Amino acid sequence: DTGVSQDPRHKITKRGQNVTFRCDPISEHNRLYWYRQTLGQGPEFLTYFQNEAQLEKSRLLSDRFSAERPKGSFSTLEIQRTEQGDSAMYLCASSFGQTNNYGYTFGSGTRLTVV
Amino acid sequence: AQKITQTQPGMFVQEKEAVTLDCTYDTSDQSYGLFWYKQPSSGEMIFLIYQGSYDEQNATEGRYSLNFQKARKSANLVISASQLGDSAMYFCAMRENNRLAFGKGNQVVVIP
Repeated sequence: DTGVSQDPRHKITKRGQNVTFRCDPISEHNRLYWYRQTLGQGPEFLTYFQNEAQLEKSRLLSDRFSAERPKGSFSTLEIQRTEQGDSAMYLCASSFGQTNNYGYTFGSGTRLTVV
Repeated sequence: AQKITQTQPGMFVQEKEAVTLDCTYDTSDQSYGLFWYKQPSSGEMIFLIYQGSYDEQNATEGRYSLNFQKARKSANLVISASQLGDSAMYFCAMRENNRLAFGKGNQVVVIP
């Protein structure tokens, strides 16, 4: 297991289209997080799962966004009817519980461009 | 309200020199955790160092050390003996409940 994997790395889509991103966490990690990072900003929390349960969602996660983690392993983040404001880097992270000394392991992100 | 403040403009540092990146935070919790991450141009967030609010010693990890001043609510990162590969964005973050709250980051460019 080499870390957190995200697919695709880059996505260009037309406004109004739906997009779906995938995150594969470290296999023994039971928590999975999604963050969004816009240019010049730090990552902002979107949502997190403990196993298959989605336990918290940010107000940033509008009705057009939905995230799933059906078997407590990989997760998908779908954006419906994309808007130009959705253009950002979408980062996934995983952890085992509320980790301290080893931090949260992040993937390389999916960069979304909405044209 | 901004929880993590990183206000330094982009920094240039000579190779092999040390650099200090400032971070102040705001919380009313007694127990909290502070993290520093490095983000190179590839986009991945790389964990560098962690400091718990009850840790009596400043955290160190190789060339990274954290200057933790609890009363001043600051958690500055010190990178010693800078290397060209240290050129990146650096983010300070605080754990609040089940999430990390990040600052806006510091840009560091190491010059030979």
